[in-house]
Amino acid sequence: NAGVTQTPKFQVLKTGQSMTLQCAQDMNHNSMYWYRQDPGMGLRLIYYSASEGTTDKGEVPNGYNVSRLNKREFSLRLESAAPSQTSVYFCASLLAGVAYEQYFGPGTRLTVT
Amino acid sequence: GEDVEQSLFLSVREGDSSVINCTYTDSSSTYLYWYKQEPGAGLQLLTYIFSNMDMKQDQRLTVLLNKKDKHLSLRIADTQTGDSAIYFCAESPGSASKIIFGSGTRLSIRP
Repeated sequence: NAGVTQTPKFQVLKTGQSMTLQCAQDMNHNSMYWYRQDPGMGLRLIYYSASEGTTDKGEVPNGYNVSRLNKREFSLRLESAAPSQTSVYFCASLLAGVAYEQYFGPGTRLTVT
Repeated sequence: GEDVEQSLFLSVREGDSSVINCTYTDSSSTYLYWYKQEPGAGLQLLTYIFSNMDMKQDQRLTVLLNKKDKHLSLRIADTQTGDSAIYFCAESPGSASKIIFGSGTRLSIRP
């Protein structure tokens, strides 16, 4: 059981370049999330997917798009990267049982120059 | 809107107890969580408490909830070097779409 996996672990982009961050979970969870983590600001929700085929904007969606490819995979795309998108990105999935426990991937550290 | 507040840093001596505090604003919070983030890793759920509970104990961890003051604390007994991490408080009204995180408290351990 790999849990939540993310690729790549590190990435450097130039301003204006595009890239897709990949996330997969093997726990059969319905809900998946993308967060960004910036120093002193905790986690901010970018996009959320309640189930396959549905996505919703979170607190900071501008400059990002997502695809819920199937139940396992949820990708985050930066179409035209900006220095303000330098951050650590976490994918999570959720066990909607007793207490809505989230399981996090190891993160992708993205630098935009 | 909803907010979760934590102090940014805490330093304790090895073997002492650590107490990390959190305040939240959403009175409809149903679940309150503590997550741990070790360097270079994602968040890991440590424990959670339902809003109808005052206290939950799990080995070295004790969670206290004061619902009237909207105050949550995490006590780590006999703090060890392996407890060095960032600890996040989070709350949810019982919806998978709405989990709010604090900014995290960095716990450092002095020898």
